[in-house]
Amino acid sequence: AQKVTQAQTEISVVEKEDVTLDCVYETRDTTYYLFWYKQPPSGELVFLIRRNSFDEQNEISGRYSWNFQKSTSSFNFTITASQVVDSAVYFCALSMLRGKLIFGQGTELSVKP
Amino acid sequence: SAVISQKPSRDICQRGTSLTIQCQVDSQVTMMFWYRQQPGQSLTLIATANQGSEATYESGFVIDKFPISRPNLTFSTLTVSNMSPEDSSIYLCSVGWDSSGNTIYFGEGSWLTVV
Repeated sequence: AQKVTQAQTEISVVEKEDVTLDCVYETRDTTYYLFWYKQPPSGELVFLIRRNSFDEQNEISGRYSWNFQKSTSSFNFTITASQVVDSAVYFCALSMLRGKLIFGQGTELSVKP
Repeated sequence: SAVISQKPSRDICQRGTSLTIQCQVDSQVTMMFWYRQQPGQSLTLIATANQGSEATYESGFVIDKFPISRPNLTFSTLTVSNMSPEDSSIYLCSVGWDSSGNTIYFGEGSWLTVV
């Protein structure tokens, strides 16, 4: 069975702190894709990153970075020097079939000034 | 990148009525997907809609409750039938990733409140 676990339900940090959001996934497929989305209070889903199972290279985009480790089935997301605008719910998702996503439960990040 | 528009963005509906949500994409796509997000919860896939064939529903979702149409490669509708307060959710439309395989796009969502 395929599953995504985001064990952290809520995280609260003070602005400028670094924060890591954990994501652990389960699948028996050898080809799969992992995603992170941001959902601000307005409700839309904002795409952050897609990573395929053959590419374990970590990625950095500005203050965001992602650590993909197949050995531990994890795809963690770090925000460096957090800002109030980063406050949102963040979802990790898994896809084997093009476009069909299995979501984790989400982590609500609150960044306080 | 694909631009996806959903209508309505929000609505308040009476118990027992039905509402149809529209999803329009600015490019032709093979597969479209409908998700539901109940308050404070994660997203759950309702069904996959392919043009020219019946939608494929996930466990727990049935066609009588959530009929879907897919008349062409840029448009789909989801109807929420005989609504109850438990149907109060955000309903999101998405498309499979584009030809370059880079991402999966979502519409802005339709917030339904059933009273």
